[in-house]
Amino acid sequence: DGGITQSPKYLFRKEGQNVTLSCEQNLNHDAMYWYRQDPGQGLRLIYYSQIVNDFQKGDIAEGYSVSREKKESFPLTVTSAQKNPTAFYLCASNGLAGYTDTQYFGPGTRLTVL
Amino acid sequence: SQQGEEDPQALSIQEGENATMNCSYKTSINNLQWYRQNSGRGLVHLILIRSNEREKHSGRLRVTLDTSKKSSSLLITASRAADTASYFCATARHNAGNMLTFGGGTRLMVKP
Repeated sequence: DGGITQSPKYLFRKEGQNVTLSCEQNLNHDAMYWYRQDPGQGLRLIYYSQIVNDFQKGDIAEGYSVSREKKESFPLTVTSAQKNPTAFYLCASNGLAGYTDTQYFGPGTRLTVL
Repeated sequence: SQQGEEDPQALSIQEGENATMNCSYKTSINNLQWYRQNSGRGLVHLILIRSNEREKHSGRLRVTLDTSKKSSSLLITASRAADTASYFCATARHNAGNMLTFGGGTRLMVKP
Protein backbone atom coordinates (compact mmCIF):
# COMPACT_ATOMS: atom_id res chain seq x y z
CA ASP A 1 0.00 0.00 0.00
CA GLY A 2 1.24 3.47 -0.85
CA GLY A 3 0.74 6.24 1.65
CA ILE A 4 1.88 8.12 4.69
CA THR A 5 2.20 6.54 8.08
CA GLN A 6 2.53 8.28 11.41
CA SER A 7 3.43 6.72 14.70
CA PRO A 8 2.48 6.45 17.41
CA LYS A 9 -1.25 7.19 17.14
CA TYR A 10 -1.39 8.36 20.75
CA LEU A 11 1.54 9.74 22.75
CA PHE A 12 1.73 10.87 26.33
CA ARG A 13 4.54 13.04 27.58
CA LYS A 14 5.54 14.39 30.93
CA GLU A 15 6.38 18.05 31.19
CA GLY A 16 10.04 18.70 30.46
CA GLN A 17 10.47 15.73 28.12
CA ASN A 18 11.29 15.79 24.44
CA VAL A 19 9.29 13.45 22.21
CA THR A 20 9.71 12.51 18.57
CA LEU A 21 6.82 11.86 16.21
CA SER A 22 7.47 9.66 13.21
CA CYS A 23 6.31 10.32 9.66
CA GLU A 24 7.15 8.01 6.75
CA GLN A 25 5.94 8.08 3.15
CA ASN A 26 6.44 5.66 0.25
CA LEU A 27 4.88 7.93 -2.38
CA ASN A 28 8.26 9.16 -3.64
CA HIS A 29 7.18 12.69 -2.77
CA ASP A 30 9.76 15.44 -2.54
CA ALA A 31 7.97 17.74 -0.11
CA MET A 32 6.84 16.93 3.41
CA TYR A 33 5.02 19.01 6.02
CA TRP A 34 4.12 19.02 9.70
CA TYR A 35 0.94 20.68 10.94
CA ARG A 36 -0.54 21.20 14.36
CA GLN A 37 -4.30 21.11 14.91
CA ASP A 38 -5.97 22.27 18.12
CA PRO A 39 -9.54 21.21 18.99
CA GLY A 40 -12.11 22.71 16.65
CA GLN A 41 -9.43 24.60 14.74
CA GLY A 42 -7.74 24.48 11.38
CA LEU A 43 -4.18 23.40 10.61
CA ARG A 44 -1.13 25.50 11.32
CA LEU A 45 2.19 24.81 9.60
CA ILE A 46 5.11 23.94 11.89
CA TYR A 47 7.92 22.97 9.48
CA TYR A 48 8.23 21.88 5.91
CA SER A 49 10.89 20.31 3.71
CA GLN A 50 11.03 20.47 -0.06
CA ILE A 51 14.12 18.30 -0.54
CA VAL A 52 16.36 16.02 1.49
CA ASN A 53 18.68 17.75 3.95
CA ASP A 54 16.73 21.00 3.72
CA PHE A 55 13.79 22.32 5.75
CA GLN A 56 12.18 25.64 6.62
CA LYS A 57 10.22 27.00 9.54
CA GLY A 58 6.50 27.41 9.16
CA ASP A 59 4.22 29.72 11.11
CA ILE A 60 4.64 28.12 14.55
CA ALA A 61 8.12 26.52 14.62
CA GLU A 62 9.14 27.62 18.12
CA GLY A 63 9.63 24.64 20.42
CA TYR A 64 9.82 22.14 17.56
CA SER A 65 12.66 20.65 15.51
CA VAL A 66 12.83 18.42 12.44
CA SER A 67 15.30 16.54 10.26
CA ARG A 68 15.15 15.28 6.68
CA GLU A 69 17.98 12.81 6.22
CA LYS A 70 15.98 10.54 3.92
CA LYS A 71 13.35 11.33 1.31
CA GLU A 72 10.89 8.95 2.96
CA SER A 73 11.16 10.26 6.52
CA PHE A 74 10.46 13.58 8.24
CA PRO A 75 10.44 13.16 12.04
CA LEU A 76 9.23 15.96 14.30
CA THR A 77 10.62 16.50 17.78
CA VAL A 78 8.49 18.37 20.27
CA THR A 79 10.94 19.86 22.74
CA SER A 80 10.45 20.95 26.32
CA ALA A 81 10.57 24.53 25.03
CA GLN A 82 7.11 24.09 23.47
CA LYS A 83 4.86 25.56 26.17
CA ASN A 84 1.57 24.04 25.09
CA PRO A 85 2.30 20.89 23.11
CA THR A 86 -0.99 19.03 23.67
CA ALA A 87 -2.51 18.85 20.18
CA PHE A 88 -3.16 16.67 17.15
CA TYR A 89 -0.15 16.52 14.81
CA LEU A 90 -0.54 15.82 11.11
CA CYS A 91 2.14 15.02 8.58
CA ALA A 92 1.60 15.51 4.85
CA SER A 93 3.51 15.20 1.60
CA ASN A 94 3.18 16.19 -2.02
CA GLY A 95 4.91 15.68 -5.29
CA LEU A 96 7.16 18.08 -7.13
CA ALA A 97 9.15 20.51 -5.06
CA GLY A 98 8.11 24.07 -5.84
CA TYR A 99 4.86 23.03 -7.53
CA THR A 100 1.68 23.29 -5.55
CA ASP A 101 -0.60 20.32 -5.80
CA THR A 102 -2.70 18.29 -3.48
CA GLN A 103 -1.25 17.19 -0.16
CA TYR A 104 -1.59 13.66 1.15
CA PHE A 105 -2.04 13.33 4.89
CA GLY A 106 -1.12 10.72 7.44
CA PRO A 107 -3.60 9.58 10.12
CA GLY A 108 -2.14 11.87 12.78
CA THR A 109 -0.59 11.58 16.23
CA ARG A 110 -2.45 12.86 19.27
CA LEU A 111 0.03 14.18 21.84
CA THR A 112 -1.03 14.76 25.42
CA VAL A 113 1.18 16.32 28.05
CA LEU A 114 0.51 14.98 31.52
CA SER B 1 -4.82 35.38 10.88
CA GLN B 2 -5.67 32.45 8.63
CA GLN B 3 -5.57 33.05 4.88
CA GLY B 4 -8.82 31.13 4.44
CA GLU B 5 -11.90 31.46 6.60
CA GLU B 6 -14.86 29.14 6.29
CA ASP B 7 -18.46 30.05 6.84
CA PRO B 8 -20.50 28.75 8.58
CA GLN B 9 -18.37 27.25 11.35
CA ALA B 10 -21.00 24.55 11.87
CA LEU B 11 -23.86 23.26 9.74
CA SER B 12 -26.53 20.69 10.55
CA ILE B 13 -28.83 19.32 7.84
CA GLN B 14 -31.05 16.34 7.11
CA GLU B 15 -29.99 13.54 4.82
CA GLY B 16 -30.89 14.33 1.23
CA GLU B 17 -30.51 18.08 1.62
CA ASN B 18 -27.73 20.10 0.00
CA ALA B 19 -24.91 21.57 2.07
CA THR B 20 -23.12 24.77 1.09
CA MET B 21 -19.90 25.95 2.70
CA ASN B 22 -18.07 29.16 1.90
CA CYS B 23 -14.44 30.16 2.09
CA SER B 24 -12.94 33.64 1.92
CA TYR B 25 -9.27 34.49 1.54
CA LYS B 26 -7.15 37.61 1.52
CA THR B 27 -4.28 37.44 -0.97
CA SER B 28 -3.77 36.34 -4.57
CA ILE B 29 -3.74 32.58 -5.01
CA ASN B 30 -2.53 29.95 -7.48
CA ASN B 31 -5.28 27.54 -6.54
CA LEU B 32 -7.76 26.71 -3.82
CA GLN B 33 -8.35 23.23 -2.46
CA TRP B 34 -11.03 21.61 -0.32
CA TYR B 35 -10.26 18.85 2.13
CA ARG B 36 -12.40 16.67 4.37
CA GLN B 37 -11.52 15.42 7.84
CA ASN B 38 -13.39 12.76 9.74
CA SER B 39 -13.16 13.13 13.50
CA GLY B 40 -9.69 12.30 14.79
CA ARG B 41 -8.36 11.38 11.37
CA GLY B 42 -6.11 12.87 8.71
CA LEU B 43 -7.34 15.11 5.91
CA VAL B 44 -8.47 13.79 2.55
CA HIS B 45 -8.26 15.90 -0.58
CA LEU B 46 -11.60 16.49 -2.30
CA ILE B 47 -11.09 18.93 -5.14
CA LEU B 48 -8.69 21.58 -6.47
CA ILE B 49 -9.74 24.63 -8.45
CA ARG B 50 -7.16 26.83 -10.16
CA SER B 51 -7.24 30.60 -10.15
CA ASN B 52 -8.27 30.70 -13.83
CA GLU B 53 -11.22 28.35 -13.28
CA ARG B 54 -14.66 29.40 -12.09
CA GLU B 55 -16.42 26.11 -11.41
CA LYS B 56 -15.52 22.49 -11.01
CA HIS B 57 -17.50 19.31 -10.36
CA SER B 58 -16.59 15.97 -8.87
CA GLY B 59 -19.42 13.54 -8.23
CA ARG B 60 -21.79 15.19 -5.75
CA LEU B 61 -19.34 18.05 -5.16
CA ARG B 62 -19.46 21.40 -6.89
CA VAL B 63 -16.86 24.08 -6.20
CA THR B 64 -16.96 27.66 -7.40
CA LEU B 65 -14.24 30.28 -7.25
CA ASP B 66 -14.68 34.03 -7.53
CA THR B 67 -11.23 35.63 -7.54
CA SER B 68 -12.69 39.15 -7.69
CA LYS B 69 -14.42 38.53 -4.36
CA LYS B 70 -11.66 36.26 -3.07
CA SER B 71 -14.17 33.60 -2.19
CA SER B 72 -15.06 29.99 -2.94
CA SER B 73 -17.98 27.74 -2.17
CA LEU B 74 -18.32 23.99 -1.79
CA LEU B 75 -21.71 22.45 -2.49
CA ILE B 76 -22.47 18.87 -1.51
CA THR B 77 -25.67 17.70 -3.14
CA ALA B 78 -28.01 14.99 -1.85
CA SER B 79 -26.07 14.71 1.40
CA ARG B 80 -25.65 11.42 3.25
CA ALA B 81 -24.97 10.65 6.89
CA ALA B 82 -21.48 9.53 5.79
CA ASP B 83 -20.76 13.12 4.68
CA THR B 84 -20.62 14.13 8.36
CA ALA B 85 -17.12 15.57 8.79
CA SER B 86 -15.18 18.83 8.94
CA TYR B 87 -14.43 20.52 5.65
CA PHE B 88 -11.44 22.82 5.15
CA CYS B 89 -10.43 25.13 2.37
CA ALA B 90 -6.74 25.65 1.71
CA THR B 91 -5.13 28.28 -0.45
CA ALA B 92 -1.89 28.07 -2.37
CA ARG B 93 -0.57 31.60 -2.45
CA HIS B 94 1.51 33.21 -5.18
CA ASN B 95 5.24 33.06 -4.50
CA ALA B 96 4.83 30.70 -1.57
CA GLY B 97 6.33 27.59 -3.10
CA ASN B 98 4.09 24.60 -2.55
CA MET B 99 2.75 25.65 0.84
CA LEU B 100 -0.92 25.69 1.68
CA THR B 101 -2.72 27.83 4.24
CA PHE B 102 -5.79 26.26 5.83
CA GLY B 103 -8.94 27.87 7.15
CA GLY B 104 -10.65 26.97 10.41
CA GLY B 105 -13.12 24.56 8.82
CA THR B 106 -16.86 23.96 8.67
CA ARG B 107 -18.20 21.15 10.82
CA LEU B 108 -21.00 19.45 8.90
CA MET B 109 -23.47 17.12 10.54
CA VAL B 110 -25.89 15.20 8.33
CA LYS B 111 -28.74 13.66 10.29
CA PRO B 112 -30.20 10.40 8.99
